[in-house]
Amino acid sequence: GENVGLHLPTLSVQEGDNSIINCAYSNSASDYFIWYKQESGKGPQFIIDIRSNMDKRQGQRVTVLLNKTVKHLSLQIAATQPGDSAVYFCAENTGTASKLTFGTGTRLQVTL
Amino acid sequence: DAGVIQSPRHEVTEMGQEVTLRCKPISGHNSLFWYRQTMMRGLELLIYFNNNVPIDDSGMPEDRFSAKMPNASFSTLKIQPSEPRDSAVYFCASAQGGSNEKLFFGSGTQLSVL
Repeated sequence: GENVGLHLPTLSVQEGDNSIINCAYSNSASDYFIWYKQESGKGPQFIIDIRSNMDKRQGQRVTVLLNKTVKHLSLQIAATQPGDSAVYFCAENTGTASKLTFGTGTRLQVTL
Repeated sequence: DAGVIQSPRHEVTEMGQEVTLRCKPISGHNSLFWYRQTMMRGLELLIYFNNNVPIDDSGMPEDRFSAKMPNASFSTLKIQPSEPRDSAVYFCASAQGGSNEKLFFGSGTQLSVL
């Protein structure tokens, strides 16, 4: 039969513009969140994390925002570059060791 | 550090055959995780170990799947007998073992069961 896979939402951004990728997480008890980047043929790569006692954290060209009230996480990438093209996953820790539950992912396409 | 090392990189096998996937975690990491990634279900946690002991195997699909961690530097995921629906990318990841620690992933094993 036809293989119906996950439909990954896609965000197309022009090189140099800022990107915002959103994620709704599921467990209100989650206290740790991570963004991963996955390029084709590679494993997920850590980008940035945030703990639930914070609402914003900045890295190099990336910022993560956490809104616990509505269980929403976002990743902002400044001055998006072609090398940023990938699938981005948010993940939440539900408190058991380092066990992470991943979202379905968003594909970022950077156009020249 | 070489990171998490998985082998083989690609595996093509016939239905019914036994498949063994291997993982070497980052030295010093106490937790090891096996994930499966498919287009249908995304990234799913199969099993994780802490200090070589299986803690949660609720994600293992069925008895055909088994995982071992005989020592801190090696783990295997075995499928016997394999079926076409097992075709996926299997990732191993490791972490330092405390709560709220980021996972470091290997490059994965692309498994195709014909």
